[in-house]
Parts: sequence; structure tokens; C-alpha cells
Amino acid sequence: NAGVTQTPKFQVLKTGQSMTLQCAQDMNHNSMYWYRQDPGMGLRLIYYSASEGTTDKGEVPNGYNVSRLNKREFSLRLESAAPSQTSVYFCASSEKGQGYGYTFGSGTRLTVV
Amino acid sequence: QKEVEQDPGPLSVPEGAIVSLNCTYSNSAFQYFMWYRQYSRKGPELLMYTYSSGNKEDGRFTAQVDKSSKYISLFIRDSQPSDSATYLCAMTLGTYKYIFGTGTRLKVLA
Repeated sequence: NAGVTQTPKFQVLKTGQSMTLQCAQDMNHNSMYWYRQDPGMGLRLIYYSASEGTTDKGEVPNGYNVSRLNKREFSLRLESAAPSQTSVYFCASSEKGQGYGYTFGSGTRLTVV
Repeated sequence: QKEVEQDPGPLSVPEGAIVSLNCTYSNSAFQYFMWYRQYSRKGPELLMYTYSSGNKEDGRFTAQVDKSSKYISLFIRDSQPSDSATYLCAMTLGTYKYIFGTGTRLKVLA
């Protein structure tokens, strides 16, 4: 099915470990996003890429890095995981980037112990 | 004060009821408004988006925006058990950064 694919679906890390969350979309969208979702906090933007070759910080970028590998792929890296990064991470993409809504992936549930 | 406020619920209604979900916001510059539905352990899916004020209808769903009151609503007619989910409102100035509400959990009882 067309859409946004995230891997892995679940991950447990120890404090200080690093990992990369992968995201790929097959809708030829220009813009891609990484969000985290926490109870009572809603969805918060970590980083986004308006188009291939560009990335920008969102609301909560500290502790994360991103790479827009090509038009299809946008990865999120945790260099030194902390318990505060325990969350559900969603990747999303959009065609026009301005107000027309996102297509979300199914999420990665990350626990840092 | 949060930029977008949404009652977390849960909201429980009998099958067939009309459901009203609401968000208030503080930034009068918001121009685009969206509603997402999120089933448990799934990603949000876009239900509707509207630009500026007014109503928009799609099947059993109606989105309403009142910019003068800084208030948006989603109405679900003839609610079904399959509508049981968390509903998120979102809005943007027209940039790449959306502000999401925390979501309202809806349970439609058969």
C-alpha cells in the first residue's frame, strides 16, 4: 500500500545508546516531518524537511539529528538516548507543505531505560 | 496557556448519536484547520481540512471554523462503533509547522 513506512515499530534502548529511526514515503511528497507524541502533550514537531536537501528544527529538536537522504527517505537519529526520549515517534509527509494535511506513518514506540 | 486547547475526554455516546468535538485556540493568525482520527496504536489519519472560516461537509463529518471566537468543531452524524478513536485538531499559519491539540478520546457504544 502507498504511504509512509517507518522502521522499526518497537525499540528498547539503554541510556546512552544511539539509534536511527527510518522513514520512507512513496507518494512523491516534497515535505517530510518527524513528530513525537507523549500523553498530555500532543504531537510535537522535532525536525522537518521542506524539500530534498533542506532540514529545519521544530519545537523540540534537542538530542536529535536528521538526514534527508533523498526525496523518499528522512531519518531521525538519537545520538545518546535519554529516558526523556521515551515516546512514540511519527514520521509524516505532505505534498504542498502548507495547510493541506499530512500522511502519517504507523509510528515507532521507543523506550529508553 | 497552550496555543490549542482540546478536552481530552473520554466522551462516550450511544450508537447513532451526533457527536460534537471542539478545539479552542489563542493565535488569531491561524489560517488552516484540520481534524485527524487516530486509532489505538496507529498513526493519525487526516479526516478534513478547511481554510479560514466556514463549514465543510464530507459524508457524516462536518468541520466548522469560527475565527471570531477562535473555535473549531467537528460533528459526526449517525456515529458508529468504528468511529471510536482519538480525534486530534491541528492548525497552522500556512507554514510547515502545525500545532496539534492533545486529542479527545471518543467511545461509541453499540
